[in-house]
Amino acid sequence: GESVGLHLPTLSVQEGDNSIINCAYSNSASDYFIWYKQESGKGPQFIIDIRSNMDKRQGQRVTVLLNKTVKHLSLQIAATQPGDSAVYFCAENKKNTGNQFYFGTGTSLTVIP
Amino acid sequence: DARVTQTPRHKVTEMGQEVTMRCQPILGHNTVFWYRQTMMQGLELLAYFRNRAPLDDSGMPKDRFSAEMPDATLATLKIQPSEPRDSAVYFCASAPDRGSAFFGQGTRLTVV
Repeated sequence: GESVGLHLPTLSVQEGDNSIINCAYSNSASDYFIWYKQESGKGPQFIIDIRSNMDKRQGQRVTVLLNKTVKHLSLQIAATQPGDSAVYFCAENKKNTGNQFYFGTGTSLTVIP
Repeated sequence: DARVTQTPRHKVTEMGQEVTMRCQPILGHNTVFWYRQTMMQGLELLAYFRNRAPLDDSGMPKDRFSAEMPDATLATLKIQPSEPRDSAVYFCASAPDRGSAFFGQGTRLTVV
């Protein structure tokens, strides 16, 4: 029968190109954001985080941009590699809720060799 | 190498049976989460604990699900009785105070 599930946004990029994955968050009171990578059969893995007092944060080959005005978060991956193929989630944490995180639906990234 | 450990990795059980999933959080992390992941709903927060005290379990069906932390090194999620709609991957995660959550590998539960 037909499988029904979340319609994950998908992104296909050529190996070596840069990838940009976007996330719109819902709560203007959220002040801490994390990007996670989930490979098939594994748990989500922390990539990079950013607090609301920053607009940009860089890691190794990854950059997160935060636009609080439009409640938008993006993850940029430089020189995308086949090992970057995975589902990427953004998670938001609302101020004064402790560590309670809410996850978006995720974006499936496929890197074409 | 600090990691969150979940057992079992896979569980197949018959409808009506009790299922217990276990999690060992990272030593020193004071917050523990239980998430459920399905194709239909994505990642849902079921419950979380801070310093072993349950802070929020509003995402959890109370009639059949229960979550506990008997001590700082063990968190459990129990389903009794289990139903086919409980089939999912259940993730445990732990975090330090106001820090990012680190996930275990998950328990893939199939209820037939």
